[in-house]
Amino acid sequence: DVKVTQSSRYLVKRTGEKVFLECVQDMDHENMFWYRQDPGLGLRLIYFSYDVKMKEKGDIPEGYSVSREKKERFSLILESASTNQTSMYLCASSLSGALYGYTFGSGTRLTVV
Amino acid sequence: GNSVTQMEGPVTLSEEAFLTINCTYTATGYPSLFWYVQYPGEGLQLLLKATKADDKGSNKGFEATYRKETTSFHLEKGSVQVSDSAVYFCALSPPGNTPLVFGKGTRLSVIA
Repeated sequence: DVKVTQSSRYLVKRTGEKVFLECVQDMDHENMFWYRQDPGLGLRLIYFSYDVKMKEKGDIPEGYSVSREKKERFSLILESASTNQTSMYLCASSLSGALYGYTFGSGTRLTVV
Repeated sequence: GNSVTQMEGPVTLSEEAFLTINCTYTATGYPSLFWYVQYPGEGLQLLLKATKADDKGSNKGFEATYRKETTSFHLEKGSVQVSDSAVYFCALSPPGNTPLVFGKGTRLSVIA
């Protein structure tokens, strides 16, 4: 069964901490994505990557960075966590092209206190 | 630009009722269209898709038809169950390799 695995389901961090959210896929997908999901705002794209060592900004990249050193792994980094980054974070992957949907991970609910 | 508009929820239905969740889109070119479902505490799962005009996607009793003339992709199910309670997202994939554009989601609650 193909999978996108996010390293933590729940995470609590302190303001100012550097936070790493890890995502691994086992489907040999080229594309990987990070979204955050907030009530009333739907899904918002933070960053995405179409290839190893490649990254593109999404709609809300401020306060975040990403790393893709290997094809199967895409990490989201909160450089200095703030309370307004408390959210559900969803990772997804896909094959290249418009015909394919995404496979999502189960999400990481991050609380910054 | 590309955008997806879906009906606001929440939608509350009794078991065995007919479900329609409206979705309309604006896109350049000919996008692929998707419906995703998110059960409580989980990530999104692909429910169905259609990649060209007049295609009908179907899965688990749900179906949606890609209507180019009305730029719509409404989700329907003839008889909902309590287990269908979830948030449903409509999405489009523009031609080429660009990120999906999602609607804001519609929460469905089905009561016994």
